[in-house]
Amino acid sequence: SQKIEQNSEALNIQEGKTATLTCNYTNYSPAYLQWYRQDPGRGPVFLLLIRENEKEKRKERLKVTFDTTLKQSLFHITASQPADSATYLCAPGPGAGKLIFGQGTTLQVKP
Amino acid sequence: NAGVTQTPKFQVLKTGQSMTLQCAQDMNHEYMSWYRQDPGMGLRLIHYSVGAGITDQGEVPNGYNVSRSTTEDFPLRLLSAAPSQTSVYFCASSPRRQETQYFGPGTRLLVL
Repeated sequence: SQKIEQNSEALNIQEGKTATLTCNYTNYSPAYLQWYRQDPGRGPVFLLLIRENEKEKRKERLKVTFDTTLKQSLFHITASQPADSATYLCAPGPGAGKLIFGQGTTLQVKP
Repeated sequence: NAGVTQTPKFQVLKTGQSMTLQCAQDMNHEYMSWYRQDPGMGLRLIHYSVGAGITDQGEVPNGYNVSRSTTEDFPLRLLSAAPSQTSVYFCASSPRRQETQYFGPGTRLLVL
């Protein structure tokens, strides 16, 4: 069955450093992969989508890579800020409303 | 645009009671989904719809019913609530042929 793995342990980093979150998937070949941010008590919010033919995608301080050979995506936040503290979810998907999410990794940025 | 709205925000039920969680979107999205989120389990898909009149089961459909009579609304029905259905429920919608999901604020359900 399809499986998505994100680090279940929280990631604690110092403000100004680069945070790197990992998403691994097995038993399927998604055409794209999405990253979402979720704050406590709120619904997830879309951040970035990267397609299988794209190696890297950037948006402001965010960078996502997608390695279809390793079946892995890395999500980077450069110059991290305390406001970046949240849970980040990856979702390798086929689309059409049937999106499968990883469990999420909680990032804590300390001032 | 209000986006995706969900009501109620919080609900307490007794075992065996029924209720409907409401979800509406004003973005004219074709695709709508219901997820539940439990600690350590992430988001799990309950049911989804690819358009009015069309619904399908997700990963954890047992104990839940859905219908989609209009593009805007996608209610989730619990027929006979069980403590295992204590969770946070999220509704989401996405544009036709696009994959980005827009989530509602969630409904926190406690079944005693």
